[in-house]
Amino acid sequence: AQSVAQPEDQVNVAEGNPLTVKCTYSVSGNPYLFWYVQYPNRGLQFLLKYITGDNLVKGSYGFEAEFNKSQTSFHLKKPSALVSDSALYFCAVSLSGGSARQLTFGSGTQLTVLP
Amino acid sequence: ETGVTQSPTHLIKTRGQQVTLRCSSQSGHNTVSWYQQALGQGPQFIFQYYREEENGRGNFPPRFSGLQFPNYSSELNVNALELDDSALYLCASSPPGGADSGANVLTFGAGSRLTVL
Repeated sequence: AQSVAQPEDQVNVAEGNPLTVKCTYSVSGNPYLFWYVQYPNRGLQFLLKYITGDNLVKGSYGFEAEFNKSQTSFHLKKPSALVSDSALYFCAVSLSGGSARQLTFGSGTQLTVLP
Repeated sequence: ETGVTQSPTHLIKTRGQQVTLRCSSQSGHNTVSWYQQALGQGPQFIFQYYREEENGRGNFPPRFSGLQFPNYSSELNVNALELDDSALYLCASSPPGGADSGANVLTFGAGSRLTVL
């Protein structure tokens, strides 16, 4: 079975400061890792993914994430936060092969960027 | 291109009733999956449809069932509704292709919020 942990329910950061949203995963096999963002009354929007290759992945809106196999982590980062980044962020994992589209999500982290 | 559209956006049912939720996939996408998002939690995978057949299922009982139509749209049916079925139901579609391509990036609809009283 695969699982995702987002240890922080809430992250607050001042505008212009760097932000990190943490994610660790557990999976048997090679993971596919994703970050999605959810705004109020909206569906989830894709930010970035790691499939293979470079451990540092760059995505939409200036976000990036680093895959760390030894620590089984995939933390989301942004060098300079914007107030408009305030939203609910979900980390997700799937396995390669036929179940690649079957995502297991974490419980989410509410990011608040303070002006 | 149009995104994923879901209907209805909100609905209220009573315990024991049945509900049907509908989803139109994004143009060019042939795989549809459904997720249940309870309040304050992450989405949970219900099942996935490809070529009009279920080809993956999460830990949900048989009273959760679905259909996919030739135009790739989909329905989620829930029978004998329980209070715990109250949630946001998300439909997601993805394009054809291997998993190492963009085919495993899901495009989500805004969801159908079901309240069971």
